[in-house]
Amino acid sequence: DAKTTQPPSMDCAEGRAANLPCNHSTISGNEYVYWYRQIHSQGPQYIIHGLKNNETNEMASLIITEDRKSSTLILPHATLRDTAVYYCIVRVVGRYDMRFGAGTRLTVKP
Amino acid sequence: GAVVSQHPSWVICKSGTSVKIECRSLDFQATTMFWYRQFPKQSLMLMATSNEGSKATYEQGVEKDKFLINHASLTLSTLTVTSAHPEDSSFYICSALLDSGGRNEQFFGPGTRLTVL
Repeated sequence: DAKTTQPPSMDCAEGRAANLPCNHSTISGNEYVYWYRQIHSQGPQYIIHGLKNNETNEMASLIITEDRKSSTLILPHATLRDTAVYYCIVRVVGRYDMRFGAGTRLTVKP
Repeated sequence: GAVVSQHPSWVICKSGTSVKIECRSLDFQATTMFWYRQFPKQSLMLMATSNEGSKATYEQGVEKDKFLINHASLTLSTLTVTSAHPEDSSFYICSALLDSGGRNEQFFGPGTRLTVL
């Protein structure tokens, strides 16, 4: 699976958009980009995933660059409850094991 | 949405004893479940893939005789930490694969915190 690189930490003001970048420059054409988050001492929570096109759901938007070498998770209006570690994972189509990197610790501040 | 539970949520045991952790998919059937371990301030590490009715597949470096996995039904997988030692103290998390109608997503349990004295 392609390796991902994320900044170790980020801060965001409450009510503002949080933009979390992920670099996956070695991604292959048959690999999805997944985003999960983990609030302290809980299991990871699925946020969103995509292959080539941008995706949006009730939680977030996923913007994937045209060359697919990087992506950005956007939380449009961050709240204090969005404080968590966010993981960007690249997964091969047809395989189901998720391998977590270090993630980005997002702190939403009042 | 799909819900995965774990039991117990936390456990404290003496060194040398065995501890069993259960992972259940509550509202869907899961032929595949995964077990992860997470040490403080670290990321999740995949330990093994559990397949219903067959042997689990362990990741490199994970001792299969120490971490026994049984996936006897489509809604239950168990992880038994045998002869636990303090270095086995960790947060153990399972996930279940929802593979239905073209949708394959992993849903994670809330985790089990194991402390070995």
